[in-house]
Amino acid sequence: DTQMTQSPSSLSASVGDRVTITCRASQTIGTNLNWYQQKQGKAPKLLIYGASSLQSGVPSRFSGSGSGTDFTLTINTLQLEDFATYYCQQSYSARTFGQGTKVEIK
Amino acid sequence: QVQLVQSGAEVKKPGASVKVSCKASGYTFTSYDMNWVRQATGQGLEWMGWMNPNSGDTGYAQKFQGRVTMTRDTSISTAYLELSSLRSEDTALYYCARSMLGTGVYFDYWGQGALVTVSS
Repeated sequence: DTQMTQSPSSLSASVGDRVTITCRASQTIGTNLNWYQQKQGKAPKLLIYGASSLQSGVPSRFSGSGSGTDFTLTINTLQLEDFATYYCQQSYSARTFGQGTKVEIK
Repeated sequence: QVQLVQSGAEVKKPGASVKVSCKASGYTFTSYDMNWVRQATGQGLEWMGWMNPNSGDTGYAQKFQGRVTMTRDTSISTAYLELSSLRSEDTALYYCARSMLGTGVYFDYWGQGALVTVSS
């Protein structure tokens, strides 16, 4: 199975900050990498698919990059509504999620 | 609008089975795969498997092989997840999620989740 490792597991940031979350795959997965946002008590929401494509309706301050084994989710100008947990997910070999990164208010 | 509406909470004893439903609306049910993802309280997301509602083909995560069955009833646009030989570690919120095939496979719509509690 392809393992996905996110870092950091949690971070504290302020409104207006730029936040970067990384995701590393245990084997090369091309660009078969997606990012989700999950708020407390809610189902996950798709943000980025195919490593860098923005899902319809998602604000442009979210962006994704990477290929192969190393990927990044960037949130530019963090907003109050962005405090949540973020998960990466690969679809190259079955489907597996990273362990999540919780973005908290500093 | 696309909606996935799941069945309600269940309480089961260890060793029992549970069947959770996911009713789809707002799109052609047989045109998109359905996946199941679970999340224990305070934990991360765990993919369980997928089903093609058109053919009935399925693919299960290795961890659940032999204990999970995914089925569907196309006449009512509903997918089902059945998990058997339940143990306390199966206590979790179970989500259905539609998958799109584009640049890879991704989950674009999710149900609200169905809580399954396994307790003696």
